Amino acid sequence: DIQMTQSPSSLSASVGDRVTITCRASQSISTYLNWYQQKPGKVPKLLVYSASSLQSGVPSRFSGSGSGTDFTLTINSLQPEDFATYYCQQSYSIPCSFGQGTKLEIK
Amino acid sequence: EVQLVESGGGLVQPGGSLKLSCATSGFTFSGSAMHWVRQASGKGLEWVGRIRTKPDSYATDYAASVKGRFTISRDDSKNTAFLEMNSLKIEDTAVYYCSRLISAHGGYNWFDPWGQGTLVTVSS
Repeated sequence: DIQMTQSPSSLSASVGDRVTITCRASQSISTYLNWYQQKPGKVPKLLVYSASSLQSGVPSRFSGSGSGTDFTLTINSLQPEDFATYYCQQSYSIPCSFGQGTKLEIK
Repeated sequence: EVQLVESGGGLVQPGGSLKLSCATSGFTFSGSAMHWVRQASGKGLEWVGRIRTKPDSYATDYAASVKGRFTISRDDSKNTAFLEMNSLKIEDTAVYYCSRLISAHGGYNWFDPWGQGTLVTVSS
C-alpha cells in the first residue's frame, strides 16, 4: 500500500502570504495526485487533480506541482477563505490513500 | 447539478449493523465508480472502499480495516450506492462520505463531488 505524508501538519500564516504544502508518496505515483480543501464542518472539495490541473472554479492563486514521490500545493496571496485543512490523495493504486492533512491557520 | 445524498447513519451498539445509502442525481450513475470515505471526529480522511461499474463486473475493493465486515453495492436503476456495515466497532465511528470517481484519459481519476456525509456512532 502507498503511504502519503504531508508536511507540515499545521501552518500559521497571514492574509497575503504565500504558502507551500508538501506531500510525499512512499513510492512513485507519477502524477496521480489530487488535492482537496476541507473547511470546518464542511465537505472536502477538489482543488487540484493530476498533480497540477486546477479544478474549474478554483482561484488561480492555487497551484500544484510535482511528480514521482514529491508534490507541492502552493497558495499565493492567502485570502481569509483559504484557511482550512488540505489533503493530498494518491489515485495511482487501490487502496486509495490520503495524507494526514495540513491545517492552515490564521497567524 | 450533480448531487450525492447519504442517509442511514445513526447510533449502533458494538457488534451491530447499519446500512448507508448514497442517492445520486445529475450524472450518469451507471457509468461511474462510487467510493466511500470516512472521517472520525477531528481526524483525517480514510478511504473505505469502492464499487466499479457493470462493464467491470461491479468489482469491489475495501480498506484492510473494514474488509470482511463492510460490503458495498449499487442499484443502477435507482442511481444509489450502498455501504452495509456489520460487526461494527467503536473505531468505525465517523462521518461517512460517498463520492463519485471522475475518470479521465491516462487513468487519472479523482473524487468529485462528495456527499454531505452521514454520521455513524458506534457506542454502547
